[in-house]
Amino acid sequence: DAKTTQPTSMDCAEGRAANLPCNHSTISGNEYVYWYRQIHSQGPQYIIHGLKNNETNEMASLIITEDRKSSTLILPHATLRDTAVYYCIVRVDPGNTPLVFGKGTRLSVIA
Amino acid sequence: EADIYQTPRYLVIGTGKKITLECSQTMGHDKMYWYQQDPGMELHLIHYSYGVNSTEKGDLSSESTVSRIRTEHFPLTLESARPSHTSQYLCASHHLAGEDEQFFGPGTRLTVL
Repeated sequence: DAKTTQPTSMDCAEGRAANLPCNHSTISGNEYVYWYRQIHSQGPQYIIHGLKNNETNEMASLIITEDRKSSTLILPHATLRDTAVYYCIVRVDPGNTPLVFGKGTRLSVIA
Repeated sequence: EADIYQTPRYLVIGTGKKITLECSQTMGHDKMYWYQQDPGMELHLIHYSYGVNSTEKGDLSSESTVSRIRTEHFPLTLESARPSHTSQYLCASHHLAGEDEQFFGPGTRLTVL
């Protein structure tokens, strides 16, 4: 699977949008982009995933560039409970490969 | 909320003891995984299974072993615990047919004295 690069940490003011970038410049055409988060050493939690189109669900939006070399996870109105480590993962064939986690971005939402 | 359970949640034991960390899921998922995570560090895959009687080693070498005799149960065993095994162990599962979301248990925090 392709590797990803994320900033080590970010801060965001409560109520503002949190924009978390991810670079995956070696992504292949059949690799999906997944986002998970881990709150204070709990088990990671799925957020969203996409292949090439932008995606939105009740938690977040995922914006993937046209060349698919990078993406941005957007939390539209960050709350203190969104403070967590956010992992961007690229993965072939979602059903048949384990998730491989990198270091992620530690997001701190500040009151 | 995911129906995946881990016991115990916390365990403090002495060196040399044999321990088994339990993981069970009630979702009928074929695939199950064990990850190891040191405090503040990334998760490392140590074992996985694609179904009954199937087990594979992950990316991180581990002295632990696993078994998969029943679909819902994926225990991890350390025959002789050492202080270097002190870590958090996270179990996860998802459906074989390509379900997108991988569900994680709450984890077991192991301390070996």
